[in-house]
Amino acid sequence: QQPVQSPQAVILREGEDAVINCSSSKALYSVHWYRQKHGEAPIFLMILLKGGEQKGHDKISASFNEKKQQSSLYLTASQLSYSGTYFCGTEPSSSNTGKLIFGQGTTLQVKP
Amino acid sequence: NAGVTQTPKFQVLKTGQSMTLQCAQDMNHEYMSWYRQDPGMGLRLIHYSVGAGITDQGEVPNGYNVSRSTTEDFPLRLLSAAPSQTSVYFCASSYLGHDQPQHFGDGTRLSIL
Repeated sequence: QQPVQSPQAVILREGEDAVINCSSSKALYSVHWYRQKHGEAPIFLMILLKGGEQKGHDKISASFNEKKQQSSLYLTASQLSYSGTYFCGTEPSSSNTGKLIFGQGTTLQVKP
Repeated sequence: NAGVTQTPKFQVLKTGQSMTLQCAQDMNHEYMSWYRQDPGMGLRLIHYSVGAGITDQGEVPNGYNVSRSTTEDFPLRLLSAAPSQTSVYFCASSYLGHDQPQHFGDGTRLSIL
């Protein structure tokens, strides 16, 4: 039931791009993306809704393929501050409560 | 505006002891939830609530109880702590709706010996 994220970990140099994928076996209503720094709480990045548009701010954007129940997070021209663990949270279509089931996380390390 | 407040921040228990982790929010959010975070496992949903008096189980509810008597508070109870419950626990809250971001507390780091 937990969505599957890939890759599990990625190491980048500053300025390089990365893509993190999130795949669910269930039909989804929405996908949320969060970033967590070591020892801190997860911080909200963006939400993608079924039938909605691709979202983005600054150099981070995301898409949601409803047919495949997959979402991808795109980090462009990565900065040191992008380092952390990224989680997707999925809301099944069968849910009317907004409860989220999170993936196992993708650890991103950006080096100078 | 404090957001989501969790207490305590750290706790060490002995096997078999009971404990309540506190979570309070001051944003008038209807939805509240508890997650546990273990290395390589991500955030796993324990219990959640969509309003006062309404709770439901998540992915890993065994060994945990919850209640919600007010909109603001959502305590998590461990009735008889086990070493497998050693983890970092996060409380989160949001408005109801498919497009509402969840706000997380700073977490409680719990060790059970």
